[in-house]
Amino acid sequence: QVQLKESGPALVQASETLSLTCTVSGFSLTNYGVIWVRQPPGKGLEWMGIIWRNGNTDYNSALKSRLSINRDTSKSQVFLKMNSLETDDTAIYYCTRDLGDHWGQGVMVTVSS
Amino acid sequence: DVVLTQTPPTLSTTIGQSVSISCRSSQSLLDSDGDTYLNWLLQRPGQSPQLLIYSVSNLESGVPNRFSGSGSETDFTLKISGVEAEDLGLYYCMQVTHVPFTFGSGTKLEIK
Repeated sequence: QVQLKESGPALVQASETLSLTCTVSGFSLTNYGVIWVRQPPGKGLEWMGIIWRNGNTDYNSALKSRLSINRDTSKSQVFLKMNSLETDDTAIYYCTRDLGDHWGQGVMVTVSS
Repeated sequence: DVVLTQTPPTLSTTIGQSVSISCRSSQSLLDSDGDTYLNWLLQRPGQSPQLLIYSVSNLESGVPNRFSGSGSETDFTLKISGVEAEDLGLYYCMQVTHVPFTFGSGTKLEIK
């Protein structure tokens, strides 16, 4: 069955770089894109960016200068890297298939000053 | 970027009542391929979002048919016909026609 699972550090220092991994199963990254979404505590969902099935990427314009999304299709993994972290980047980070039909359980990341 | 305006922000209802949530887009979500990519999601407390409706009116597999979606271009509605206790949570519309994809601000459904 289709599954996505996020992994990464729970705590990151401000000004440092966040690295998260989304490991997928039950589908191929060459057939579906993967989206990263985040949700600050008590707030709504924010679309961060997508890596399309052809490997191209698009980003939220507000994050574009700090964000990169890559993948390793052989390992069925998608990677998010975001630099120059601020406390406002504290959030639950989700990956989801591009159709929005399957989501990971999310990983809570706290940015400490 | 496309702005999705959801109303109301909070909805309080009783079991068995029917409710509707509106999602209005700042621009048409009709894609050049003829489809309209407006989805509805439910996020239950402490859980990840789940897809309820895709492409305006298509029920995701396993979703009860008390959920229905309608609309076109810039005006969309999610209706729950006969609310059940498990329906409480945050409802979001999401457009995947235009990049960057965007979400509505959410509607919190409360059960009295």
